[in-house]
Amino acid sequence: EVQLVESGGGLVQPGRSLKLSCAASGFTFSNYGMAWVCQAPTKGLEWVASISTGGGNTYYRDSVKGRFTISRDNAKNTLYLQMDSLRSEDTATYYCARLDYPVFDYWGQGVMVTVSS
Amino acid sequence: DIQMTQSPASLSASLGETVTIECRASEDIYNGLAWYQQKPGKSPQLLIYNANSLHTGVPSRFSGSGSGTQYSLKINSLQSEDVASYFCQQYYDYPWTFGGGTKLELK
Repeated sequence: EVQLVESGGGLVQPGRSLKLSCAASGFTFSNYGMAWVCQAPTKGLEWVASISTGGGNTYYRDSVKGRFTISRDNAKNTLYLQMDSLRSEDTATYYCARLDYPVFDYWGQGVMVTVSS
Repeated sequence: DIQMTQSPASLSASLGETVTIECRASEDIYNGLAWYQQKPGKSPQLLIYNANSLHTGVPSRFSGSGSGTQYSLKINSLQSEDVASYFCQQYYDYPWTFGGGTKLELK
């Protein structure tokens, strides 16, 4: 059974950093691209970033370029999202998703990030 | 960026009814479209990809159609477990973008 479990969320002040993790199991992690998708409270879904199987190719939406970094450790079956210079508009639930390229075929349960002073 | 416009934003239907949700792209996305279902308090689940291909395990009462800029999701014989929000998503071009969602409730 495919499982994706996010962690690392919480309340953080504007301008500070946070690192999300996503532990994957139930499939061969290194065979799949991975992504982060966010959903602001009572809002729709927004793709944040994606990474290729080996980590050599990464893609970001414009609003997070230069602030967020997606990475992965295939030996640990874990996906990461380093979030720097956080803004109030980054407040959202962040989902880790597996990419059966190019669709998100499995999603984690999500982790909440609140950016507020 | 490719804008995805869904309609209606909300929908109320009776059990057993057939429901259709529309999604319009701001440019041709060449069937690079997926549909997701998100039940209250849960994470999204893939229903349809490539505009009309059913994801593994999804009931056959769900179907997708369309081409160019116009796509639709149809739910035949609505069941109580279909109460959810539905989102379309284009993956033809970066940034991948989602529609605003359609909230489906029972009448």
